[in-house]
Amino acid sequence: AQRVTQPEKLLSVFKGAPVELKCNYSYSGSPELFWYVQYSRQRLQLLLRHISRESIKGFTADLNKGETSFHLKKPFAQEEDSAMYYCALGTQGGKLIFGQGTELSVKP
Amino acid sequence: DSGVTQTPKHLITATGQRVTLRCSPRSGDLSVYWYQQSLDQGLQFLIQYYNGEERAKGNILERFSAQQFPDLHSELNLSSLELGDSALYFCASSPELAGATDTQYFGPGTRLTVL
Repeated sequence: AQRVTQPEKLLSVFKGAPVELKCNYSYSGSPELFWYVQYSRQRLQLLLRHISRESIKGFTADLNKGETSFHLKKPFAQEEDSAMYYCALGTQGGKLIFGQGTELSVKP
Repeated sequence: DSGVTQTPKHLITATGQRVTLRCSPRSGDLSVYWYQQSLDQGLQFLIQYYNGEERAKGNILERFSAQQFPDLHSELNLSSLELGDSALYFCASSPELAGATDTQYFGPGTRLTVL
């Protein structure tokens, strides 16, 4: 079964604290994984994708095939990071399977 | 700005009615995807078109249909609307088919409210 699980519905941290948003996936093929961010229910914006291995806005994510995880991390959270974060699995044919999302709240 | 446009931004209608949502992909993108975002179901894939042809179907109800026109814009038609159809409908586009690695660029969404 193709599935993406984000176990935390809400993650609340203080500014400057480290952040880790968890994502686990289930997919029989070679996974393509993405993190999208959504501010105030506006359009989804691509944050990063695992094949590019880049860091955007200080966020990084590493694909761990053994643990079937693609956790999103940032060493020092900023208030402007407050948003909904969606982990997504790209499948053959291109459709994206999204997790339920994690709302990140960064308090001053 | 990702370049994907959607109209209208908001739509309020009554149960039993029919509406059409419109999406224009980024210039040069051939694939269009429709997603529904609701509070209870989250983000769900509905349907995909590539260069005018339907390529994949997700959890799309029979009351819903879509098409992609020669100019590559797409329309999502929702009929016999129910209260539960109230949601944010997103369109996304990507350059080509079958690349699971293709990044999808999302439009701003159409917020549908069924009263």
